[in-house]
Amino acid sequence: DTGVSQNPRHKITKRGQNVTFRCDPISEHNRLYWYRQTLGQGPEFLTYFQNEAQLEKSRLLSDRFSAERPKGSFSTLEIQRTEQGDSAMYLCASSLRTSGEETQYFGPGTRLLVL
Amino acid sequence: SQKIEQNSEALNIQEGKTATLTCNYTNYSPAYLQWYRQDPGRGPVFLLLIRENEKEKRKERLKVTFDTTLKQSLFHITASQPADSATYLCALVSGGYQKVTFGTGTKLQVIP
Repeated sequence: DTGVSQNPRHKITKRGQNVTFRCDPISEHNRLYWYRQTLGQGPEFLTYFQNEAQLEKSRLLSDRFSAERPKGSFSTLEIQRTEQGDSAMYLCASSLRTSGEETQYFGPGTRLLVL
Repeated sequence: SQKIEQNSEALNIQEGKTATLTCNYTNYSPAYLQWYRQDPGRGPVFLLLIRENEKEKRKERLKVTFDTTLKQSLFHITASQPADSATYLCALVSGGYQKVTFGTGTKLQVIP
């Protein structure tokens, strides 16, 4: 399967714990995005990378959230000191930056439940 | 503030009929607009893209219209099938890095 993959698919943690999610984009894609989605809502943009550079962060991304894409390939999203309000689906998407429009390809998401 | 509105209530339709979903936006000048399909527990899947200078786009049983004066897009599925049941998301794209902003989605249920 050459699509976007995310691990783990599900994560249950206790409040205050740290969690880390991984995203493996489509191999030739240079852009990678993280979104958060709660029930009944559309995905909300969190941050994006072009190659290894993090170019934009949403105001939704508090200091407890950090994302990396060290070699311009896979990316990790870490949440420190998790809170119950962090419970959501975390989606990763990748795209190929060209001169025209770009289409984002989404992974299956990581569903986080903070108890 | 920027706002994207989709029918929050589910749309129930009989198999074989045409489903029409609406996406309205305010305080936004998108370069283009996309429609995605999302099944429960899965990530969105891209369906169609329409540019600001295009009125209509078709792909198989799907049709999208884009009226930048009304600030509205309509998404049609003709000859709907139960397999079309899903949540459909409208997404507006603008800005240098092509920031994507999603609507809340409309849940479509096609009844056999």
